[in-house]
Formats: sequence, C-alpha cells, structure tokens
Amino acid sequence: DQQVKQNSPSLSVQEGRISILNCDYTNSMFDYFLWYKKYPAEGPTFLISISSIKDKNEDGRFTVFLNKSAKHLSLHIVPSQPGDSAVYFCAASAISGAGSYQLTFGKGTKLSVIP
Amino acid sequence: AAGVIQSPRHLIKEKRETATLKCYPIPRHDTVYWYQQGPGQDPQFLISFYEKMQSDKGSIPDRFSAQQFSDYHSELNMSSLELGDSALYFCASSSERERGLDNEQFFGPGTRLTVL
Repeated sequence: DQQVKQNSPSLSVQEGRISILNCDYTNSMFDYFLWYKKYPAEGPTFLISISSIKDKNEDGRFTVFLNKSAKHLSLHIVPSQPGDSAVYFCAASAISGAGSYQLTFGKGTKLSVIP
Repeated sequence: AAGVIQSPRHLIKEKRETATLKCYPIPRHDTVYWYQQGPGQDPQFLISFYEKMQSDKGSIPDRFSAQQFSDYHSELNMSSLELGDSALYFCASSSERERGLDNEQFFGPGTRLTVL
C-alpha cells in the first residue's frame, strides 16, 4: 500500500514556465513533508520541506503548498530552468515510537525542462 | 560543506556471498538512516540509529544487520546475498540537536550493489 503517491511519472515544461509537481498521502500521522531532487547515480538532494502546521513554505524559486484536509501537497518551481530536469521525490515523515523520523517516499516524478 | 560519504560506490557480489556497506554521516550528525532503492522503485526505509542505538526498523531482511559505531559511522552487513538484493543502498544522516520542526535527512551518493 503506497502511503505517498506521485501519480505523474513524468512532466515536461518549457523553460521559464511554472512546474507543478503533485503528491498525495494517506497516512494522517505524517507531520512533515519534504521534496528531494535526484539525478541518476546520485543520492537524493534535499530541496524544501514543510511542517504540517504550515500551508506554504517558499525558498527562492521553490514553493511547497500543503493542503492537510485533502492530504495533498505540491511543489512549484518558478521559473523552471533546464538544470531543474531530474526526478523529484515527495517524502513524508512521522515520528515513530522509537523517536525515528523514517521517510516514506513516493515513486517520483521525472521533470524535463525544455529549453 | 561536508556531505554523507558512502563506500564503496559500487559492489559486485555473487549469490550467497556477504557484503558490508559503510556510511560516514555529516560531522555532528547523530542519526543515520539506511534506505534501499530497487530498480524503478522509491527508496524504502531499512533501519535507523540514533546515538549508536537502533531507533527504528523497517523492511530489513533478517539476513541484514547494521550498527552505528562510536564515531557515528554506520555499517550495513548483508549475508546470504540474493539476486533480489541488487539495488542502490542510500545512507542518510540528520541531527537530533538541530531537529525541531526541521527533520531534513541528507543523503549520501549511494552504493550500487549488484548480485550475480
């Protein structure tokens, strides 16, 4: 059972336009959400995160929106640049009884920014 | 800035052999997580350690074991390797001291294990 879902395996966007990557989750216990960017043969690189007490977090060209009632979050990249082309993973965490913050990942969305 | 270091980057083993993967967290990070990413899959949590003690366990086979040492580096030991163990193994680290609302985990480059 996939608790974090990224229903779009791929997305193509023109350079300069907005990229919107979506993520849905099913576990109400998740209280922290992260977006990671991954290039082939590299580890995931942290991009931006949001706590469940917020509905928006912005960092430069990247903004994450959280809709708790809909269990939905999205990552907006404006303006999109060719260097943004990568696989984007949505991840969620909830503190476990052991004090661990293990991440549950979605299956990723491959973003291609076309020059 | 120093990042998470993993070694080796690539490892080829045969079935039923053993493998040891190493992870060196970012300095002053006290928590280490291990994840396994199969081909075309999302990373799956295996196990985590905080201050040298196991803090949580995910979908880690009994054939695998791990530990965190006094210098905070961690090793993932894999025995009786199977073809299905071929995957990317990521280590991530974070800091309990810096945790609060920020639970970012920083990932290493991964070890690609191929079992023949």
